[in-house]
Amino acid sequence: EPEVTQTPSHQVTQMGQEVILRCVPISNHLYFYWYRQILGQKVEFLVSFYNNEISEKSEIFDDQFSVERPDGSNFTLKIRSTKLEDSAMYFCASSRGISNQPQHFGDGTRLSIL
Amino acid sequence: GQNIDQPTEMTATEGAIVQINCTYQTSGFNGLFWYQQHAGEAPTFLSYNVLDGLEEKGRFSSFLSRSKGYSYLLLKELQMKDSASYLCAVRGDGGFKTIFGAGTRLFVKA
Repeated sequence: EPEVTQTPSHQVTQMGQEVILRCVPISNHLYFYWYRQILGQKVEFLVSFYNNEISEKSEIFDDQFSVERPDGSNFTLKIRSTKLEDSAMYFCASSRGISNQPQHFGDGTRLSIL
Repeated sequence: GQNIDQPTEMTATEGAIVQINCTYQTSGFNGLFWYQQHAGEAPTFLSYNVLDGLEEKGRFSSFLSRSKGYSYLLLKELQMKDSASYLCAVRGDGGFKTIFGAGTRLFVKA
């Protein structure tokens, strides 16, 4: 069964540095998402992406964050000038459509900011 | 504001039936999802409801009442491997943003 893949599985970065989290969505999916989950807390929506542009974003997704689909397969989340509170699990998800189409999640990247 | 409420924890016995409730108040509604999440792992899709009523899928069923802002997930013939967090999530206006509840941790005991 096709799956969403994310790399790296764990990223350790110094505060203030930039990180890029990578995702390869399922190949016939058209909608892409990033979520984060701080340890012990709920899954939080960051951003959705469709047709090569952001379709919706949350209040968490400020100027520190950006997303890109640099080619036909990858979908990246860039976090500039990381802060301690950015430490979390970041999940990428994709779906074939919007109506009654579930989002399939990758295994996540655990981001640790030191 | 937007809010999704679920019980924090539940305990049930292997072989039994358990019902996990979810109430929501969101700006707009474009469907409700249930996901299972084992500790340290990604959420995995269980069920989807957009119309009122019951959706059955093997040992799992999910019910929705849009007028009451209420859903439940029913797990039958519980197995030890069902011990996990169960996340209620609502897709809101526009259909892109999905709001997750904090999840219900289910403990299945022998």
